This record gives sequence, C-alpha cells and structure tokens, in this order.
Amino acid sequence: GAGVSQTPSNKVTEKGKYVELRCDPISGHTALYWYRQSLGQGPEFLIYFQGTGAADDSGLPNDRFFAVRPEGSVSTLKIQRTERGDSAVYLCASSPGPNNEQFFGPGTRLTVL
Amino acid sequence: EDQVTQSPEALRLQEGESSSLNCSYTVSGLRGLFWYRQDPGKGPEFLFTLYSAGEEKEKERLKATLTKKESFLHITAPKPEDSATYLCAVQAPGGATNKLIFGTGTLLAVQP
Repeated sequence: GAGVSQTPSNKVTEKGKYVELRCDPISGHTALYWYRQSLGQGPEFLIYFQGTGAADDSGLPNDRFFAVRPEGSVSTLKIQRTERGDSAVYLCASSPGPNNEQFFGPGTRLTVL
Repeated sequence: EDQVTQSPEALRLQEGESSSLNCSYTVSGLRGLFWYRQDPGKGPEFLFTLYSAGEEKEKERLKATLTKKESFLHITAPKPEDSATYLCAVQAPGGATNKLIFGTGTLLAVQP
C-alpha cells in the first residue's frame, strides 16, 4: 500500500517568507508526527497529533511554527517569517496508534536563503 | 534528561566482514527502542522494535539485541547494499507524548 507522502519534496524560500509543508499519512493511521533533521543529526521531534488534536507540541522551537490536522488525516506544518536557521529536512511519520512503530515519509528539504 | 548515544559515528567494512553498532541510552523508563535505516535523501525506514532487556529480533543479515543500558545492531556478512545510516531511537514514558528521541546515527559503508 501507499506509504507516507510529503509535498513539496524541496522548497526554497527567502528569509521572512511564509511556508507550508504537507503530509499525507498512511490511510487509517491515527497518530501523526513531525520531526526536523539537520545535516549529520538524527530527527528531532516537533509535534505529535492523535486524531485531530495536537497531543504534544513541546518540540516546536518557537511561535513561528504551527501545525494543523483538521480532519485527522492530512497535516500541514506552517512556518512564518522563515529564518536561515530553519533550513533542514522536515520529516513526517504516522503510526496505527500511539504505541506502534512510526513510518516516515521521504521528507521536505527546506532551504531558506 | 533522556538521551541516546550511538557509536561509532562511521564504520567502513569489507563485504562479508561482520560487525556491531552500539546504541547507549539513558531514559526514565523505556517504552521501546527502535532501529531505523536511512538512505541518502530518504526518510528513515523502520527495522526493529525492542521492548525489554534480553529481547532479540532478526531480519536477513541484521540482528538487534537489548540490555538495560544499550542495544546492539549486529550485521553478519554485510553486502554493499547494507550501506546506509543506521539510527537508534527510544520512546520514553510520560503523559501524552509518544515522541521518539534519536541518536545521531552510524554511517555504515560496505565495500565490495
């Protein structure tokens, strides 16, 4: 079956601009996660959704970052007033439930010039 | 603070030369330890979950083991296609969070 998909695969933007990153989880997976991965590092947790609600947003670095999952399926990560330090690969993962293994998408590579 | 440390950072093997990767962890109460494989430009690919000390899991040339302080990923007779970054992660208990805490990975290169 289809895995987790993310769009766009690459996004180049200018400092100060607004960006949206989209994640389509595996069908039927109730749990959805966003991570950020910098070069040479492991993924770093940002936010976790169980259904439509954000159960844990403790990893969001500041209030420029926001994520939604209005219908409990697709999720959008939104970054306002982008900074060069936001450049990274943004990974989305989903799992059948909160205590199952997480399956990752291919990521969106964000470059802020 | 929950923490995961992987060693070595990089490992170069000849095809057929078996070895082990280490993942040391400090966590307040382990709910699960996960191994992932990541190829360049791709997302992590799930390999194994281990839940309790003494548990072992195998898949082709890979075997993962778990103690109370660390996990090992044993690679037997590796092939060039096993070249990738191997990531270890722990899932800690506590409240509503189910986040994974990752190490920085081991970059494995298997030469023919």
